[in-house]
This record gives sequence, C-alpha cells and structure tokens, in this order.
Amino acid sequence: DAGVTQSPTHLIKTRGQQVTLRCSPKSGHDTVSWYQQALGQGPQFIFQYYEEEERQRGNFPDRFSGHQFPNYSSELNVNALLLGDSALYLCASSFVGRGSDEKLFFGSGTQLSVL
Amino acid sequence: AQSVTQPDIHITVSEGASLELRCNYSYGATPYLFWYVQSPGQGLQLLLKYFSGDTLVQGIKGFEAEFKRSQSSFNLRKPSVHWSDAAEYFCAVGGGYSSASKIIFGSGTRLSIRP
Repeated sequence: DAGVTQSPTHLIKTRGQQVTLRCSPKSGHDTVSWYQQALGQGPQFIFQYYEEEERQRGNFPDRFSGHQFPNYSSELNVNALLLGDSALYLCASSFVGRGSDEKLFFGSGTQLSVL
Repeated sequence: AQSVTQPDIHITVSEGASLELRCNYSYGATPYLFWYVQSPGQGLQLLLKYFSGDTLVQGIKGFEAEFKRSQSSFNLRKPSVHWSDAAEYFCAVGGGYSSASKIIFGSGTRLSIRP
C-alpha cells in the first residue's frame, strides 16, 4: 500500500517563474492538504481540497493555487515565484469519512529552491 | 487567533532518561490537539491525538501526552528515550471541518539524544 507520494523531490527555480508540484494521496483517501515548511519552522497550512474543490485556505496569496483531479491526486501551483517561497512543500491526505478520527498522512515533500 | 507555542527550541537528554516537551495553545473552542514527529528528510508522522475523553492520551513509540485545559497545555512525555527518538517534534492544533482540517503547527522542538 503506497503512502502519499510527491513529485519532484527537489526543484530549483528562478524568481518570477511558475512551478507545479504534484501529490498522489494514500490509497483510499479523498482529501488532500498542502503545507509550506520554511527552514527551521513548523508547517503552515496552504489549502485543502475535497471533491475537487478548495474547502479551506490558509493565509497565502492568490499566487498559490491548486487543483484536485477525479482520482483524488492534486497539484499545487505557485506563480511569480519569490525568494521567500523557498521551502519544503508537504502534501497530506486523509479520508473525510472517518469524521473525528480523520488523520493526516504526510508525504516526504518537495524541496523548492528559488534563486 | 489560533496559535501554538513550543517554548523549547532544542532539548538534549541522555538515552534512557525521561522526556517532556512543552506545548501551549490558544484556541476559541475545544480543539483537536496533536503531536507529530519529523525525522530528517521525512514527512511528518502522527504520534498521538486528543479531542475529548481521557485527558491522558497514549500514542505510538511509547509516547503519551496530557491535556490540561486550565493551563492550555498539551505536553508530550516519554519515560525512557531511545537514540532513535532524535528528531523534530511538532505540537499542533486543529478544528476546521474535521480533525484533519487546517492544522496549525508550532515551530517545533529539536530533540537530541546524548549516548
């Protein structure tokens, strides 16, 4: 049973470019959340997708957008990259049907460096 | 505003010694409370979770945490640490649509183990 998989594992971009990160949820999961973890900090919630719609959003600008596909996989897009966007981007999946027992399972992340 | 404070940035304990990691939270209602562990190059793994019921929660790897509403605290404990426990530990609070929604993480406590 594959866990949460993210691609690529590492990425180097230049300021102003656009980037797309990909996530495949754990088998049986229907919800995907994205987090940004800057060096030495805790993860910060970007947004969560359920039924192909953004269900909740954290305090991130519109440059950060996402998508969830019918197979529950998800993409995170960041436009007009800034140096401050350099971070580890974590994807987490869960199964909403478990209610209060819903748990997040995290992938190993994509390390994005913006030069 | 919801927030999580982990006052200890770095803690070193001897192998076999007991451990307590501190966590204080600020939340308007009864929150979901979590402890996660992150090893280098790895995603986050859930150690334990509290929402209601017994205020002493047992988790994986021999960890436990105690919820104290009067102190807004959720400290993590382990009676005897092993070298493999060296990692970054994050306390977190959630409470959006479900227990996996919009989780807010603290800045983490790095645990080192002295041989």
